[in-house]
Amino acid sequence: SAVISQKPSRDICQRGTSLTIQCQVDSQVTMMFWYRQQPGQSLTLIATANQGSEATYESGFVIDKFPISRPNLTFSTLTVSNMSPEDSSIYLCSVEGTSGLQFFGPGTRLTVL
Amino acid sequence: GENVEQHPSTLSVQEGDSAVIKCTYSDSASNYFPWYKQELGKGPQLIIDIRSNVGEKKDQRIAVTLNKTAKHFSLHITETQPEDSAVYFCAASLEDDMRFGAGTRLTVKP
Repeated sequence: SAVISQKPSRDICQRGTSLTIQCQVDSQVTMMFWYRQQPGQSLTLIATANQGSEATYESGFVIDKFPISRPNLTFSTLTVSNMSPEDSSIYLCSVEGTSGLQFFGPGTRLTVL
Repeated sequence: GENVEQHPSTLSVQEGDSAVIKCTYSDSASNYFPWYKQELGKGPQLIIDIRSNVGEKKDQRIAVTLNKTAKHFSLHITETQPEDSAVYFCAASLEDDMRFGAGTRLTVKP
């Protein structure tokens, strides 16, 4: 399995500001994903982070609100822009290893005041 | 697109009893079905998975069954222990498109 770390683990932010979440994997992976988990809810895919090209966003999510970077095969960032209280969630990075299995990072708990 | 339904949403059992969580999926092309366990404050952990060419898979106290015809799959936990208490998510996947169920909060009472 891949070891995935996320920074920050949690943050409290003011409305209108932006937060960038980092995801680091201990090995090169082809696929990296970003999910959102609202309180008490299931996991919703935001986008697939593509190395060397623009991320692929799911319906309901747009690049202006959730810009994503993937500069190499072990690192990605998700920015939550112009935040509102509705953005309060856990944001999870996920990777697909060489085995084809999907593993999750520990998550970033975001609270927007 | 794929739609995954999961039942029950909450499940409470006595330590030592068995627990069963059921999921159904809509896209018959889905071919990979993982189960994740999420403890409080942590990310989901893959606990067992099954592919569409297999009907059942077992790993110690955990087993998963798949009925492709009916498009449903289930997680079975035997001899439950308090540390099994968590939220469990099922998922159905085709290639890299994975969709999750709503989750089941399992509580094992000592």
